[in-house]
Amino acid sequence: QVQLQQWGAGLLKPLETLSLTCGVYGGLFSDYYWTWIRQSPEKGLEWIGDITHGGSTSYNPSLRSRLMISVHTSRTQFSLRLSAMTAADTAVYYCARATGGVVLPASFGPWGQGTLVTVSS
Amino acid sequence: QSVLAQPPSMSGAPGQRVTISCTGSSSNIGSGYDVHWYQQLPGTAPKLLIYGNVNRPSGVPDRFAGSKSGTSASLAITGLQADDEADYYCQSYDNSLRGSVFGGGTKLTVL
Repeated sequence: QVQLQQWGAGLLKPLETLSLTCGVYGGLFSDYYWTWIRQSPEKGLEWIGDITHGGSTSYNPSLRSRLMISVHTSRTQFSLRLSAMTAADTAVYYCARATGGVVLPASFGPWGQGTLVTVSS
Repeated sequence: QSVLAQPPSMSGAPGQRVTISCTGSSSNIGSGYDVHWYQQLPGTAPKLLIYGNVNRPSGVPDRFAGSKSGTSASLAITGLQADDEADYYCQSYDNSLRGSVFGGGTKLTVL
């Protein structure tokens, strides 16, 4: 049974960079791709982007200029970096496994436990 | 304003059937993209409930059923139980936004 566990700083000042990592335990890493999603009361659930085990990425166009997702295959981990954070980026950030079918989009599951990220001066 | 429209709240008595709608447009559901559904219990991460419009992951009871037609999709829950009280979200792909999109969520209350 695959489990995802995520970690990273939860309190940032404006313009700082968010850095989160997600570890994948108990499952095949290379057979799937891996995604980040965030949830806030204002915007609801928002897809951030995803990455294959080989490092190919797909980003939400609205975040692309500030976003980097990377993969560490040997450690079965993947990471998120989102720069120039503002209060509008305050949300619970989740990592999840993405399973693609014949038709887009991939479905997401299981999910990590979530990290509350607050941006405040 | 979410790309996929869901009713903000619904309710039903134990044993009843409820149907949650997810209304999209020609740039998402209407273009033939799959719809997935998630259940989020209070204080927890979302959990995949239905994938590929109609399929249930292992462990999801057959009281949950998904369907899709045209620019909309639906999640039907039959034999409503107290622990079905949760938020439910639909997800699809939008070719204008070039990424996955979610509905705003429906809070289901079991009376």
